[in-house]
Amino acid sequence: LAKTTQPISMDSYEGQEVNITCSHNNIATNDYITWYQQFPSQGPRFIIQGYKTKVTNEVASLFIPADRKSSTLSLPRVSLSDTAVYYCLVGAQGDNDMRFGAGTRLTVKP
Amino acid sequence: KAGVTQTPRYLIKTRGQQVTLSCSPISGHRSVSWYQQTPGQGLQFLFEYFSETQRNKGNFPGRFSGRQFSNSRSEMNVSTLELGDSALYLCASSLANARFDEQYFGPGTRLTVT
Repeated sequence: LAKTTQPISMDSYEGQEVNITCSHNNIATNDYITWYQQFPSQGPRFIIQGYKTKVTNEVASLFIPADRKSSTLSLPRVSLSDTAVYYCLVGAQGDNDMRFGAGTRLTVKP
Repeated sequence: KAGVTQTPRYLIKTRGQQVTLSCSPISGHRSVSWYQQTPGQGLQFLFEYFSETQRNKGNFPGRFSGRQFSNSRSEMNVSTLELGDSALYLCASSLANARFDEQYFGPGTRLTVT
């Protein structure tokens, strides 16, 4: 299971683009990269998942370089409601473990 | 469609007691996973059930157990409660066979052990 490293916290302002980078140097060939968002006292919510290059959905983009040793979650034009903890997970379908790290606590200020 | 539901939402128990938490997955989802979340340890995987069988288990003592019913609803039980069991217990369900697929989390059950 690939170990992930993310910044502990980040601050931003409303309307800005936020990029959160996750390092996963020992990612395996079959591994996917998934990001979850969690608000206080709620369960995590799936944001986006990718394998390589770029994935975009209605809330975020995920950039994965060719070597796949890192990935960047990009949140366009954040608002106060994007203040949450963001988790990066790396693993393959059928993995015996799905390990959440400490995550990145994003604080969006007015 | 309805999301993952967990009952009860809040629970206060005394050391030594046992507790049973319930999770109803999204209709059609056959995989149910349980997690414990504490400020100190973060989100930790407890176990996963698929088609009434425990498929994966995390590194927790035998006091933590679970089961899944034929309708995919799941329960987890903690016996001989300890103060350190105070946590938010989260249940997640997913559609496909693979646990790394998108998981849908419930709101959790906040357990306080006194």
